[in-house]
Amino acid sequence: KAGVTQTPRYLIKTRGQQVTLSCSPISGHRSVSWYQQTPGQGLQFLFEYFSETQRNKGNFPGRFSGRQFSNSRSEMNVSTLELGDSALYLCASSLERDGQPQHFGDGTRLSIL
Amino acid sequence: GDSVTQMEGPVTLSEEACLTINCTYTATGYPSLFWYVQYPGEGLQLLLKATKADDKGSNKGFEATYRKETTSFHLEKGSVQVSDSAVYFCALSSAGGTSYGKLTFGQGTILTVHP
Repeated sequence: KAGVTQTPRYLIKTRGQQVTLSCSPISGHRSVSWYQQTPGQGLQFLFEYFSETQRNKGNFPGRFSGRQFSNSRSEMNVSTLELGDSALYLCASSLERDGQPQHFGDGTRLSIL
Repeated sequence: GDSVTQMEGPVTLSEEACLTINCTYTATGYPSLFWYVQYPGEGLQLLLKATKADDKGSNKGFEATYRKETTSFHLEKGSVQVSDSAVYFCALSSAGGTSYGKLTFGQGTILTVHP
């Protein structure tokens, strides 16, 4: 059974640009969560989607947004990139309605120059 | 709000030594508790979980017991191997609709095991 797939694995952008990251959950999983991982702040929750609806959102500015499609694939978008957005972005999916336990992808490493 | 505190690392052990990584939490209600492991260049893998007080999660020789009276979920292993070298994260998920799909993580503990 395929795991959670995130694309691309690495991305380099410059300040002010925008970026879209993609996540394909495990087949049958309808809950998709996104996290930002940095050395300074650790792992922080961005948002969660279930059946195309955002059910939960972390404490991030509006530049961070996401969506989920009818096949449960999810994308997150970051606009007007800042140097501080450099991080590993992790996606996780869950089979259960409450979104736990979660199965993680290998992440997208975003570097802002 | 919810929070998780892990023991400061890094932790360095010799092969076959005993491991304990302390984890305490603050949460309202009855959260579910998890340990995740992250190997270099990879995402997080679920190591074990416990969903109610006195539950013991176990996997690959690792164990952790949900202690509500001390709000703790310490990770233990009797004999570590070099292949256990990784970063370990303690996490919780609060009950209730406002916590759907959200994990609150500790800061992570780097474990290095030498032959």
